[in-house]
Amino acid sequence: NAGVTQTPKFRILKIGQSMTLQCTQDMNHNYMYWYRQDPGMGLKLIYYSVGAGITDKGEVPNGYNVSRSTTEDFPLRLELAAPSQTSVYFCASSYSAENQPQHFGDGTRLSIL
Amino acid sequence: GQNIDQPTEMTATEGAIVQINCTYQTSGFNGLFWYQQHAGEAPTFLSYNVLDGLEEKGRFSSFLSRSKGYSYLLLKELQMKDSASYLCAVVDSNYQLIWGAGTKLIIKP
Repeated sequence: NAGVTQTPKFRILKIGQSMTLQCTQDMNHNYMYWYRQDPGMGLKLIYYSVGAGITDKGEVPNGYNVSRSTTEDFPLRLELAAPSQTSVYFCASSYSAENQPQHFGDGTRLSIL
Repeated sequence: GQNIDQPTEMTATEGAIVQINCTYQTSGFNGLFWYQQHAGEAPTFLSYNVLDGLEEKGRFSSFLSRSKGYSYLLLKELQMKDSASYLCAVVDSNYQLIWGAGTKLIIKP
C-alpha cells in the first residue's frame, strides 16, 4: 500500500545548487500535482499533470521545472536554488480533477542556505 | 481574485463540539474539500461537498451553502488526536484546487 512516495524527506541545499525531488505513485492516477507549503500558509500549486507527457503551470511555477514521462513518476526540478524556495514540498495524485480527493506523499522539507 | 477564508486558530475542550467555518470567493465552483493535516504530516482527505446540505461521516460532518459561499466542518466528541490543522479547498472553474490557509485546532483536556 505505497500510495504516493516522495524522496528525499529532508534536504539542505546551498544557494545556486540544483536538485530533483522525486515523486512516484502506484495507484494508476492520471492527475499529479506539486505543491509547496510555507509556514501558516495554504498549499500553493507549482505544476500539475493530467497524464503522461502533459504538464502545465500552477500558481507559483517560477524557478521550477517538471516532466511526466510515465504515469507513475512526476519529478520536480529546482535549477538554481534560492532562499525563497525554502519550504515543504508535497506531491499529490488523484483519479480525476473534479470530485476525487488528492492523495499526498509525506513531503520533502527543503532548506536553502 | 480567488479567496478562501478560515479562522487561523481555534481552541476546544475534549469531548465537546467545534465548528470550523470556511468562506470562499472563487472563479466558479465545482466542489469543496476538507482535509486534516497533523503537524509535520501530509494532508489527508476528510470530506467532499458539491451540493447544498450536510454530509455526515461518523464524528465529522461537513455543510455547504453554495449561494452563501460558505461551508463548515463540524467535529463532535472531540478527542486529543483531533488536534490538527483543517484545510478547506475549493475546486474552481478550471478544476484546480484553491486552498485556504487552514485552521489550527487545539484540543485541551
